Amino acid sequence: KAGVTQTPRYLIKTRGQQVTLSCSPISGHRSVSWYQQTPGQGLQFLFEYFSETQRNKGNFPGRFSGRQFSNSRSEMNVSTLELGDSALYLCASSTGPEYNEQFFGPGTRLTVL
Amino acid sequence: GDSVTQMEGPVTLSEEAFLTINCTYTATGYPSLFWYVQYPGEGLQLLLKATKADDKGSNKGFEATYRKETTSFHLEKGSVQVSDSAVYFCALSDRGGANSKLTFGKGITLSVRP
Repeated sequence: KAGVTQTPRYLIKTRGQQVTLSCSPISGHRSVSWYQQTPGQGLQFLFEYFSETQRNKGNFPGRFSGRQFSNSRSEMNVSTLELGDSALYLCASSTGPEYNEQFFGPGTRLTVL
Repeated sequence: GDSVTQMEGPVTLSEEAFLTINCTYTATGYPSLFWYVQYPGEGLQLLLKATKADDKGSNKGFEATYRKETTSFHLEKGSVQVSDSAVYFCALSDRGGANSKLTFGKGITLSVRP
């Protein structure tokens, strides 16, 4: 069974640009969550989607947004990039609303110059 | 709000040494507790979990017991190997299905030398 895949794995952008990251969950998983990992703040929850609906959102500015498609694939978008957005963005999938084990992808390393 | 506190790191041990990594939590409800491991350049892997008080999670020689009275979930291994070198995260999640968000501790880097 294929794991969670994230594309691209590495990305370099400049301040002010926008970026879209993609996550494909494990087949059959309908819940996708996103996390930001930085050396200073550690792992922080961004948002969770289930059945194309955002169920939960972390404490991030509106520049961070996401969506989920009918095939459960998810994208997150960051607009007007800032230097502080440089981070590893991790996607995790689980089977559904009742919490079960979350399976993480390898992450997308975003560098903002 | 919910929070997880891990002991300060990094930790360096010799192979076959005993490992303890402390983790305490604060939560309003009855959370599920987890240990995740992150190897260099990779995402997180679930190491073990416990969903209710007094449960013991175990995997690959690692163990942790959900202690409600001390709000702790310390990770232990009797004999570490070089391959255990990684970053370890303690995490919690509210139960009940309404919130599957994971709250993580800061993580601790473990280095095991031959």
